[in-house]
Amino acid sequence: DAGITQSPRHKVTETGTPVTLRCHQTENHRYMYWYRQDPGHGLRLIHYSYGVKDTDKGEVSDGYSVSRSKTEDFLLTLESATSSQTSVYFCATSSSGTGHSPLHFGNGTRLTVT
Amino acid sequence: QQQVKQSPQSLIVQKGGISIINCAYENTAFDYFPWYQQFPGKGPALLIAIRPDVSEKKEGRFTISFNKSAKQFSLHIMDSQPGDSATYFCAASMGQGGSEKLVFGKGTKLTVNP
Repeated sequence: DAGITQSPRHKVTETGTPVTLRCHQTENHRYMYWYRQDPGHGLRLIHYSYGVKDTDKGEVSDGYSVSRSKTEDFLLTLESATSSQTSVYFCATSSSGTGHSPLHFGNGTRLTVT
Repeated sequence: QQQVKQSPQSLIVQKGGISIINCAYENTAFDYFPWYQQFPGKGPALLIAIRPDVSEKKEGRFTISFNKSAKQFSLHIMDSQPGDSATYFCAASMGQGGSEKLVFGKGTKLTVNP
């Protein structure tokens, strides 16, 4: 894989608290993505980044923010966690941003909001 | 028009049998159709992909069949093995669009019984 590490792997948090998930890559890929995976919904894009400090919204961005201060790190923040944000979160990278570029995924963070 | 519809949601096959997963799309601008394989506790990984200028692509026991006129494509797994048990996602994208526009089906959970 593309050397993608997500942390933490598991987290339980309470409603209303802020949560930050981290994605770290060692492949120097320019493009990075955050997806959430839910039963019956498949993979849905939350936010993506096309370079340091360059980010944009995906399909399900409400309640989430991201930051990318270095090529290798992409952070996803739930500003005030809600139970609907209980999900498995995947970070992905790609070397180019074209529609034909394969995505390389990390192994996910399972987040439970109680 | 941006959806990719995948069926079935789940599939149980006996060892040695053929597994078939189907996907359909509406947007005729899609020109790249990858399949991702996801094992439990892991992130999805690119398995095989096809472009619409060919009707079939084979890699080992995995074959994508593509029907451009019907706007359908399918994954066939020949001689299915217990190690193939995973969730499979079809997807579609446009080369001219960014990889953030990759559209995923909702996934098929394949179980291959020994």
